[in-house]
Amino acid sequence: AQKVTQAQTEISVVEKEDVTLDCVYETRDTTYYLFWYKQPPSGELVFLIRRNSFDEQNEISGRYSWNFQKSTSSFNFTITASQVVDSAVYFCAAISGKLIFGQGTTLQVKP
Amino acid sequence: GAGVSQTPSNKVTEKGKYVELRCDPISGHTALYWYRQSLGQGPEFLIYFQGTGAADDSGLPNDRFFAVRPEGSVSTLKIQRTERGDSAVYLCASSTASGGPPYNEQFFGPGTRLTVL
Repeated sequence: AQKVTQAQTEISVVEKEDVTLDCVYETRDTTYYLFWYKQPPSGELVFLIRRNSFDEQNEISGRYSWNFQKSTSSFNFTITASQVVDSAVYFCAAISGKLIFGQGTTLQVKP
Repeated sequence: GAGVSQTPSNKVTEKGKYVELRCDPISGHTALYWYRQSLGQGPEFLIYFQGTGAADDSGLPNDRFFAVRPEGSVSTLKIQRTERGDSAVYLCASSTASGGPPYNEQFFGPGTRLTVL
């Protein structure tokens, strides 16, 4: 069975701090995909990244970066120099047949 | 272009009633998904359509829940004999077929907030 765990329920930082959101996944499949989604206060889920299980290269997109480590079954997400607009709930998800979401981490960035 | 739209945005009903929730996917997206999100939780998969057929309905909680997509575009999620525990935000998403759904990026609608009194 698949499972995605986001141990951090809520994180609060001050603007310009770096913040890392943790994600640990469980799957018996050798082929799977991992995702991060952002859910701002408006409620609509926004896709951030997709990573397949064969590609362990880290990825950077502007202030966002992702660290995928199969050895620890983790797919962590770092926001550098956080901004107030980054405040949202962030979901990690894994897919092997269907998309399974973690419980989400609420990030609050204070000015 | 237009994103995924869902109607109504809010639905309040009484226990035992029947409700229909509508999803209009992005034009040209062949894959369509329904999720349910309870307060403080991540979205929970309900059903996935590829074209007109349900490719995976393993997430539907019981036989009170049913979804259709008769023409491969708009989908309707139907809930019979609603219960208070059905109260949640029902999310719809769609994706393209290239690369093989459900592995593609899914575009989500704003959701329908269902409240069962």
